[in-house]
Amino acid sequence: DAKTTQPNSMESNEEEPVHLPCNHSTISGTDYIHWYRQLPSQGPEYVIHGLTSNVNNRMASLAIAEDRKSSTLILHRATLRDAAVYYCILKEKSGGSNYKLTFGKGTLLTVNP
Amino acid sequence: ETGVTQSPTHLIKTRGQQVTLRCSSQSGHNTVSWYQQALGQGPQFIFQYYREEENGRGNFPPRFSGLQFPNYSSELNVNALELDDSALYLCASSFGRSSYNEQFFGPGTRLTVL
Repeated sequence: DAKTTQPNSMESNEEEPVHLPCNHSTISGTDYIHWYRQLPSQGPEYVIHGLTSNVNNRMASLAIAEDRKSSTLILHRATLRDAAVYYCILKEKSGGSNYKLTFGKGTLLTVNP
Repeated sequence: ETGVTQSPTHLIKTRGQQVTLRCSSQSGHNTVSWYQQALGQGPQFIFQYYREEENGRGNFPPRFSGLQFPNYSSELNVNALELDDSALYLCASSFGRSSYNEQFFGPGTRLTVL
């Protein structure tokens, strides 16, 4: 399984930007980088994904290194509702032509008021 | 448009019993994946169904089996329950087989095996 490495935990203050790093040095040329988050007592929730270029959506931005061996999820203004476990995932083939998400332990983000 | 739903919410079984967990996909989605999440860990992939056929399996024994129905809802069956099967079971639906398709997760079923 393709591996990603994330810090176990990070802390931020409300309304400040948060940069969540992820290393994926064994990424292959066709692997998409996905980010999901899991709020307490809920299933994971899609945040963003990208292949080579930086990506923006209403939730976050994804900055991908030129060599694709690392990426950073950026929350522009953290709110208390952003407190969650954030997973950086390389989507892999699960068999046939379908793909699976291989989760690590993720980064627990704490947001202080 | 309704999201992914799972039933039951919580379940308590004893070792050796069998259990069936159910998942209704988001409307229009034809792919369902099941995950097991132990306490403090990330979800682990069990298997995936596409158009009623198993299409990929993780490192789980054969006593974990599943079905997908014509309406794309799905079941996860676990036989001969063991204590280590206690976990949150998540299903996720998506459309198609692309590597960039977003998966939509349900809230999960919390299974406790005594």
